[in-house]
Amino acid sequence: EAGVTQFPSHSVIEKGQTVTLRCDPISGHDNLYWYRRVMGKEIKFLLHFVKESKQDESGMPNNRFLAERTGGTYSTLKVQPAELEDSGVYFCASSQAAGGPRETQYFGPGTRLLVL
Amino acid sequence: AQKITQTQPGMFVQEKEAVTLDCTYDTSDQSYGLFWYKQPSSGEMIFLIYQGSYDEQNATEGRYSLNFQKARKSANLVISASQLGDSAMYFCAMRDEGNTPLVFGKGTRLSVIA
Repeated sequence: EAGVTQFPSHSVIEKGQTVTLRCDPISGHDNLYWYRRVMGKEIKFLLHFVKESKQDESGMPNNRFLAERTGGTYSTLKVQPAELEDSGVYFCASSQAAGGPRETQYFGPGTRLLVL
Repeated sequence: AQKITQTQPGMFVQEKEAVTLDCTYDTSDQSYGLFWYKQPSSGEMIFLIYQGSYDEQNATEGRYSLNFQKARKSANLVISASQLGDSAMYFCAMRDEGNTPLVFGKGTRLSVIA
């Protein structure tokens, strides 16, 4: 069974440009999460989809970030326009239907974003 | 609010020795889960082990075990018989009851020396 995949693995863009990150969760996983790790800091939650619906987007830094999950399958995270502080590693994770604290999230390899 | 603290930015261990990575947590919830993830240099986050707040036994998965001390709010990861391939960042995380996101610590970088 394929794991969580993310594309691209790396992205280097200039300030003001747009970047779109993609995440393909494990097949059959309803829950999809986006997290971000800025250099030297903790991994922070961005948002959570249940199927195609946004369950929680309390971690989204500002309205330059837009996430979608069309059809409840893959998800995209667009940053427009990108700023220097958006640099970091963006992780996607997926899990099966909600099962309380025991539910394990499986992570993708991350997308390393560098904004110059 | 939940919080995870990992006080060891970096650790060294000799190959074949055991090592303990510290993790303390703070939560007001009675039901919660604690997780450890490994991030090798390749970047992926690998799930290692889970401990539930109501689990009476400490979790074990192969060479990984979790030293869970609920009263102290600690969930230390013990790696026995360290291997060179264990060199990586290790993250402790938790989530409470319900469909909530994980809260992570800052991580500990483990280096295994031959």
